[in-house]
Amino acid sequence: EVQLVESGGGLVKPGGSLRLSCAASGFTFSSYSMNWVRQAPGKGLEWVSSISSSSSYIYYADSVKGRFTISRDNAKNSLYLQMNSLRAEDTAVYYCARDRDSYGLIDYWGQGTLVTVSS
Amino acid sequence: QPVLTQSSSASASLGSSVKLTCTLSSGHSSYIIAWHQQQPGKAPRYLMKLEGSGSYNKGSGVPDRFSGSSSGADRYLTISNLQSEDEADYYCETWDSNSVFGGGTKLTVL
Repeated sequence: EVQLVESGGGLVKPGGSLRLSCAASGFTFSSYSMNWVRQAPGKGLEWVSSISSSSSYIYYADSVKGRFTISRDNAKNSLYLQMNSLRAEDTAVYYCARDRDSYGLIDYWGQGTLVTVSS
Repeated sequence: QPVLTQSSSASASLGSSVKLTCTLSSGHSSYIIAWHQQQPGKAPRYLMKLEGSGSYNKGSGVPDRFSGSSSGADRYLTISNLQSEDEADYYCETWDSNSVFGGGTKLTVL
């Protein structure tokens, strides 16, 4: 059974940093591209960042470019999101999500971790 | 980048059928999409991958009541024999170097 379990969320002050982790199991993690998708309170889904299976290709939404860094450790079956210079508008539930295949659509989601940026 | 347009809300009666629409922007009518369901307070769940031909491939455990179809730039999700647990937000997603989501449709089961 595919499982994605996020951790690392919490309350942080504006300008602060946070590192999210996603532990993957139930599939060959090193064969799949992965994503971070967020959802602000009461809002829709927003793609944040993606990373290819071997970390060769990395993409960011304009809203986080230069502040967030995605990475992965295939030996540990783990995905990460380093978030720096956090702003109030980064407040959201952050989901780890797997790409179904090379086309890039998502087929599995984690349960999410809440990040709150507030003074 | 493609844009996906969804109605903000829809409603239908228990036991009836409903057809939700996701429309691809001009120049992107051939794109493949995915449908996701998000029940209140829960994480999204993948329902299916839907091609422009109307061919679809459902995720593990998705009930037979859920089906997909396509016409031009429109991609549809049909839910038959509506159940109370189908009350949820439904998002379509496509991909063009990164994932793009529609604004979501809130489905109310009356």
